[in-house]
Amino acid sequence: DADVTQTPRNRITKTGKRIMLECSQTKGHDRMYWYRQDPGLGLRLIYYSFDVKDINKGEISDGYSVSRQAQAKFSLSLESAIPNQTALYFCATSPGTGGAVSNQPQHFGDGTRLSIL
Amino acid sequence: GDSVTQMEGPVTLSEEAFLTINCTYTATGYPSLFWYVQYPGEGLQLLLKATKADDKGSNKGFEATYRKETTSFHLEKGSVQVSDSAVYFCALGGGGGNKLTFGTGTQLKVEL
Repeated sequence: DADVTQTPRNRITKTGKRIMLECSQTKGHDRMYWYRQDPGLGLRLIYYSFDVKDINKGEISDGYSVSRQAQAKFSLSLESAIPNQTALYFCATSPGTGGAVSNQPQHFGDGTRLSIL
Repeated sequence: GDSVTQMEGPVTLSEEAFLTINCTYTATGYPSLFWYVQYPGEGLQLLLKATKADDKGSNKGFEATYRKETTSFHLEKGSVQVSDSAVYFCALGGGGGNKLTFGTGTQLKVEL
């Protein structure tokens, strides 16, 4: 089984719909992240969470919200989807201990491909 | 703010050719540097990392050296294989809060 699992893997929906992307992990990591990937732009950070009670905005949080339901679960919501949110979305995790935060590599799920018509 | 610049792709090579993918960065302080690889239909996987100047990260025949004087972290491999075909991302870890700043990715295609 994958250590970081994203559901669904693919989703097509219409403008204005509410969508939730889910991420669960079995790595026991405290830190979780949501990114979106667009061609030619690399990965951009949407939100991140260092523990269940800690939520932080990333560089492109407008139009998105998150919920950290448990250490192992971190969901991303689009309250009213718009076509320019069509992208590949990745969840990632990293340990909360073991050295300087910036030295910790992140572990990624396989992504959710979201298309908004 | 922090930024990472990678060479644009796609890079197309014949099997057993030498690979270099350039990466330069701008950052305050002393960031850690990473290379991630993304195979088709999959998420990113850590390929190698270096945490301080002159460190060399290596894995699966790939190497990269943290050059502070040139602010670079170029990825190299002496002999590529078809199975190395993927998208490669250079990333910088630094600033407050374990944020990774990614380059735009370089697609590598290796042909027989």
